[in-house]
Amino acid sequence: DVKVTQSSRYLVKRTGEKVFLECVQDMDHENMFWYRQDPGLGLRLIYFSYDVKMKEKGDIPEGYSVSREKKERFSLILESASTNQTSMYLCASTSGQTPTDTQYFGPGTRLTVL
Amino acid sequence: QKEVEQDPGPLSVPEGAIVSLNCTYSNSAFQYFMWYRQYSRKGPELLMYTYSSGNKEDGRFTAQVDKSSKYISLFIRDSQPSDSATYLCAMGRGSTLGRLYFGRGTQLTVWP
Repeated sequence: DVKVTQSSRYLVKRTGEKVFLECVQDMDHENMFWYRQDPGLGLRLIYFSYDVKMKEKGDIPEGYSVSREKKERFSLILESASTNQTSMYLCASTSGQTPTDTQYFGPGTRLTVL
Repeated sequence: QKEVEQDPGPLSVPEGAIVSLNCTYSNSAFQYFMWYRQYSRKGPELLMYTYSSGNKEDGRFTAQVDKSSKYISLFIRDSQPSDSATYLCAMGRGSTLGRLYFGRGTQLTVWP
């Protein structure tokens, strides 16, 4: 059974803190993605990675960075958390062997920045 | 203008109703069209996908794509309370990078 796990389901941080969100997949997938999901705005792509140490900006990369040192792990970093980064963060992965390969999502991390 | 437009609802229907969910898009390069279902406090899961124009049926679900109108639909027949979820349309350009472009999602409630 395919699995994408995220390090925390709920996280509360203070403004200015550095925040790490971790995502791990056990499917040997090439491509991994970080989204945030907000009411009325849907899923917005922050960053994605198509190989170890490779990354591409999505639609809303400002205030975020990412790290992919190992194939199975993709980390999202909030360098200095702000209240407008309070959101649900979803990680996904896909094999990338064909364009229709589904994206498998993790359960999400609900981040609150106070 | 967003590349993919989807009415967020909410949509509330009685059990047994036929549900129609729709998305429009602006980028004619999209080739693959998907519907994801997301239950409360869970990540989205792929429900159906279609390639190019046409229909695809899977049980009570039918996905339709009209590329000439840049319009896709998901129909749910004999809707059940267990269908209550948020439905997101998604589209891809055919790249193996796997990037998808999502609609905002439509929240559906089916009441018994």
